[in-house]
Formats: sequence, C-alpha cells, structure tokens
Amino acid sequence: NAGVTQTPKFRVLKTGQSMTLLCAQDMNHEYMYWYRQDPGMGLRLIHYSVGEGTTAKGEVPDGYNVSRLKKQNFLLGLESAAPSQTSVYFCASSIRRTALVGLAGTITDTQYFGPGTRLTVL
Amino acid sequence: AQKITQTQPGMFVQEKEAVTLDCTYDTSDQSYGLFWYKQPSSGEMIFLIYQGSYDEQNATEGRYSLNFQKARKSANLVISASQLGDSAMYFCAMREGRNEAGGTSYGKLTFGQGTILTVHP
Repeated sequence: NAGVTQTPKFRVLKTGQSMTLLCAQDMNHEYMYWYRQDPGMGLRLIHYSVGEGTTAKGEVPDGYNVSRLKKQNFLLGLESAAPSQTSVYFCASSIRRTALVGLAGTITDTQYFGPGTRLTVL
Repeated sequence: AQKITQTQPGMFVQEKEAVTLDCTYDTSDQSYGLFWYKQPSSGEMIFLIYQGSYDEQNATEGRYSLNFQKARKSANLVISASQLGDSAMYFCAMREGRNEAGGTSYGKLTFGQGTILTVHP
C-alpha cells in the first residue's frame, strides 16, 4: 500500500495563477483533510471531508476550494494564488471513529499524512 | 486561548539519555484523543503515539511513552534512550469528540507549535 500520496511535491506559482493539489489514499479511509504548515507554526486545517461528495471548512479556508468526487481522492484548489498562500500543504486521512468509551478495543482514528507539497507563490 | 501548548521551542539531549517533551491542552470535551507526531528534516509527518482520554494506562510504543496527567491536562512525550535519528520537530495534537457547537468534530486535529529536539552524540 502506498498510504497517502500527494501530487505535486513542489510548485512555484505567480500571483493570480490557479492550481490543484491532488491527494490520494489507498486505505479506504472515510475522512480526509488538508492542512497547511507555515514556518514556526503547527499545522492548521484548511478543509476536510467526511465522505465522498461532502466537504467542510476548517480553520483557514479562505482562498481555497476542495472537492471529493471519489472516496480515495481529495483535491485542493487555489483559484487565484496569493503570496500569503506560500506554505507546505499536507493531506491526511483517517477512519471514521467508533469510540467504545471506557471499554477495551477503542478504535483510534489516527490521521496518516502524505509527504507534503511545498508551494511558493511569487 | 490556545488549545495545545508546547512551551519548549527547542530541546537538547545527549545520545542514549531520556528526554521529555511537554504538551498541555485545553478542552471541555470528555472524549478526546492526544497524538504525537515526528517531523524530521525531510518534512514528512510520522505518527508516534496515541492516548485516549478514557485510557487509564499511559500509552507506550517502543521507546516512546506518553505521560498522561488528565487532571493537569498534560500529555508529555517521553523518549527513552535517545538516538541521533530522533533529532526532529515533534508536534502534539488533540482530537476532540465534539466541536464548539456541540456537533461531532469529525476527527479534526489541533496542533501545537512544535518542539525541535536535537540529539547530541
């Protein structure tokens, strides 16, 4: 299994250009997420999806759009790139959590991350 | 208020010694999970260890253990017998069961700012 893969690994855009980042997972996970990581900061959630055909906003959604037409793919789009979107973008996926509270066998919903995409907007 | 706080921007440890990386969290949720991830200089995010809020025992995974003190809302990562390959950025993250509006959080993670660990030979 490849786990979570991201395409491309690196990209340089000019202000105003558009692009799409592709995330693919082969673990049959229901949930998928897009994060961005800026220097000196932890990861911040951009958008997420809890299933095919559904998406929702995270903490920093402005300037981005997403789509999940297939369960295994989650696309992140930048319609008009800005220098403030220079960042490293991570995709992650996880199972739908079923918590057996207080009992043995609690299923963990660990998020598994892709290798990241380094995007520079000039 | 920050939900995840890592107060140590950088830590140094001698090879083969143990080191503790601090993490405190803030939540009013009863059901939550705490995660530690390692990010080496190559950039990938590597899952290390998980602790559920209802787990009575501290989680352990090989040389990694999580010192979970629920009343103090802390979830410190302990790395025993440090190795040179442990040099990396370490992130603490929390997954709450509920969001602010009371609905399901759908597993969203909130990350701390990270601690850079340097292991000296």
